[in-house]
Amino acid sequence: QKEVEQNSGPLSVPEGAIASLNCTYSDRVSQSFFWYRQYSGKSPELIMSIYSNGDKEDGRFTAQLNKASQYVSLLIRDSQPSDSATYLCAVMDSNYQLIWGAGTKLIIKP
Amino acid sequence: GAVVSQHPSRVICKSGTSVKIECRSLDFQATTMFWYRQFPKQSLMLMATSNEGSKATYEQGVEKDKFLINHASLTLSTLTVTSAHPEDSSFYICSARSAGELQETQYFGPGTRLLVL
Repeated sequence: QKEVEQNSGPLSVPEGAIASLNCTYSDRVSQSFFWYRQYSGKSPELIMSIYSNGDKEDGRFTAQLNKASQYVSLLIRDSQPSDSATYLCAVMDSNYQLIWGAGTKLIIKP
Repeated sequence: GAVVSQHPSRVICKSGTSVKIECRSLDFQATTMFWYRQFPKQSLMLMATSNEGSKATYEQGVEKDKFLINHASLTLSTLTVTSAHPEDSSFYICSARSAGELQETQYFGPGTRLLVL
């Protein structure tokens, strides 16, 4: 059974601080990893994709991938109240299907 | 780029009626589209995967005769909830995967909120 694990939270972070979201996966052959953001009542929105070990930065967001340890993380710098949402980690399997984590609820406190 | 639309955004219907939801990729060709369902405060649940021109593949526990999926073109997939009942009330979301260089990325539509009375 392919699994993607996330801490459900809520994760509470003060405004301006760094929010760190983590995800582990079970399928060693996975090559593609995604972070989606989902606001309450809305559909998921792609934030970052990462395919290689290391860091990938896009604005205030940094995705980190460590295939040896089978984890992927998302850092949000200078957190804003508008970043409050549920963050979904998704890992693509060999059939191009996404295996979803249950999501981490992030709350940025002003 | 990579915009996916859904119609309608919200529908309220009586029990026993059928509801059709459309999912369109607006600026790319989608060889594969996915249909998800999400109940309040729960995670996304994949219902089925549809490939253009072929039958959809349904996840375990999803009734294919109740949730009819048609993917007639590279830009349109439809989900029909037949004989809807109150327990079918949910947030239905489609996603599309591009046939091109963005092949591995799924882009989501805005979702359709279904309420069955």
